[in-house]
Amino acid sequence: GNSVTQMEGPVTLSEEAFLTINCTYTATGYPSLFWYVQYPGEGLQLLLKATKADDKGSNKGFEATYRKETTSFHLEKGSVQVSDSAVYFCALSDPGGSQGNLIFGKGTKLSVKP
Amino acid sequence: GAGVSQSPRYKVAKRGQDVALRCDPISGHVSLFWYQQALGQGPEFLTYFQNEAQLDKSGLPSDRFFAERPEGSVSTLKIQRTQQEDSAVYLCASAGTVNGEQYFGPGTRLTVT
Repeated sequence: GNSVTQMEGPVTLSEEAFLTINCTYTATGYPSLFWYVQYPGEGLQLLLKATKADDKGSNKGFEATYRKETTSFHLEKGSVQVSDSAVYFCALSDPGGSQGNLIFGKGTKLSVKP
Repeated sequence: GAGVSQSPRYKVAKRGQDVALRCDPISGHVSLFWYQQALGQGPEFLTYFQNEAQLDKSGLPSDRFFAERPEGSVSTLKIQRTQQEDSAVYLCASAGTVNGEQYFGPGTRLTVT
């Protein structure tokens, strides 16, 4: 079946460090891929997305490239800030459905220290 | 503008009690989703509405779970005879179009004791 695997956390970084959170997926067909972020006490927010192979999604300094050959969608940021501390979820939209329900990874908690 | 709201934010229920969780989607949004998020896990799909029609309930874990959206706006997720394994955060999301971007509410944290 369709699934998402992302690296386990927690991840602790110092401010201005480089961030990579790995995400790989298994899917039949060609899903859209997403990164969602959940800040403490808030709801899930869409961070970025990519809808086809080789697309790069970007937002707020974060980037991820849809790699069909490696079935990956790794999240990167060149210089993290304390305000980036949150839980990050990789997700795909079920390619077999027409309604767009999402399949999520388990989440990776990021803590950035000043 | 107002986002997706959910109430209550926290609910404690004794095992065996019935609970009702409410979701107010963004006005005019066609699609509405319910997800269940267990502690330390990602959200898992429960059910989907397009307007008032429940088109997919494949993720509901048992027949104790029931959802409705009678007028195509507010939705209620009802859990009958709650069990400890029902303890989780229940998330609601709405989208303006079918397959459109989903906007999530803050969730209802249900604890069954």
